[in-house]
Amino acid sequence: KAGVTQTPRYLIKTRGQQVTLSCSPISGHRSVSWYQQTPGQGLQFLFEYFSETQRNKGNFPGRFSGRQFSNSRSEMNVSTLELGDSALYLCASSLGQGTETQYFGPGTRLLVL
Amino acid sequence: KNEVEQSPQNLTAQEGEFITINCSYSVGISALHWLQQHPGGGIVSLFMLSSGKKKHGRLIATINIQEKHSSLHITASHPRDSAVYICAVRIMEYGNKLVFGAGTILRVKS
Repeated sequence: KAGVTQTPRYLIKTRGQQVTLSCSPISGHRSVSWYQQTPGQGLQFLFEYFSETQRNKGNFPGRFSGRQFSNSRSEMNVSTLELGDSALYLCASSLGQGTETQYFGPGTRLLVL
Repeated sequence: KNEVEQSPQNLTAQEGEFITINCSYSVGISALHWLQQHPGGGIVSLFMLSSGKKKHGRLIATINIQEKHSSLHITASHPRDSAVYICAVRIMEYGNKLVFGAGTILRVKS
């Protein structure tokens, strides 16, 4: 079975732009979660989606949004990029939601200049 | 306020040593995860625990729900174990979302 894939792997943007990141979960997995990792804050939870519905949201501003499609693929969008949004964005999928083991993708490394 | 505390922050060991990494949490949880992150960013889920003890190869994870504490042990450590080990808990009052510890940087020297 193919693992979790994320595209693109690397991205450079400038302040004020917007960006869309994509995550394809393991086949059959219906839950997708997104995380941000920075040297200063470590790993932080962004969103969790299950069956196209956002089930949980972390403490991030409204510039961060996401969605999940009927095939369980997910996208997250960051609008009006700030320098502090430079980070590794990780997506993880699981069969169900809540307490299931998560399988992480390789991440998208975003640099905002 | 950090709901999850890990110790030590950094750990250097000689090949073959027994290693323990600790994780303490302050809230009610539904599950605790131990994750491994190698340079380059990829994260692998090692264990998910809600009680007791689990073993996989040279890795052992334990959790004491009453004391709100978990440990990850590595027996006969090897340089390929060098990585960042992260404890994460699913906090019930937050709808089971994952909250992460700061991680323990482990370096095993040959």
